[in-house]
Amino acid sequence: DTGVSQDPRHKITKRGQNVTFRCDPISEHNRLYWYRQTLGQGPEFLTYFQNEAQLEKSRLLSDRFSAERPKGSFSTLEIQRTEQGDSAMYLCASSQQGVHSGANVLTFGAGSRLTVL
Amino acid sequence: AQSVTQLGSHVSVSEGALVLLRCNYSSSVPPYLFWYVQYPNQGLQLLLKYTSAATLVKGINGFEAEFKKSETSFHLTKPSAHMSDAAEYFCAVNRQAGTALIFGKGTTLSVSS
Repeated sequence: DTGVSQDPRHKITKRGQNVTFRCDPISEHNRLYWYRQTLGQGPEFLTYFQNEAQLEKSRLLSDRFSAERPKGSFSTLEIQRTEQGDSAMYLCASSQQGVHSGANVLTFGAGSRLTVL
Repeated sequence: AQSVTQLGSHVSVSEGALVLLRCNYSSSVPPYLFWYVQYPNQGLQLLLKYTSAATLVKGINGFEAEFKKSETSFHLTKPSAHMSDAAEYFCAVNRQAGTALIFGKGTTLSVSS
């Protein structure tokens, strides 16, 4: 098990371009989460999946953002028409959540840093 | 709604000194609480978690945290700081059982020799 993998680690793009990030979770984990982290702040929740179903989206996730987890394995986060305010670290995490377990322990990837010029 | 507040965005200690990082939670139900650590250019790593089994929770690298319901606190401590402890520390709470974590803004720990 190689943990949670994210690609690319760093992306520099010009304002208005589209970018896509990929996350490969721990293989036996059924839940996958996306967070955004800006300098000096804690991670902010964006969205999460249970298997292939997207169960919740934060208000932070504007119409320009879309996330998918087509086969319940890897996930992609796409940002369309990027803006300078999108510059941040995008973190992916996964967990194995059973029916009766409450404490949801997330394992995080190293993140994908986006810089919008 | 559940939330956490970390008091002090930056804490500086000398090597060998006590580390105390403060976290207060707001929760309408018994919470699940966590401390994560983030080293430069690395992902967040779980230090410890509180799941109501015991109020004093021991984690990795000599850290521990005590859940105090009367004070709605979950402060992180380590008796003796090491240079390698320098990192950013985040307190987090399950928004509701089994769902996403809500994080505090973080506390940067600096350790001087």
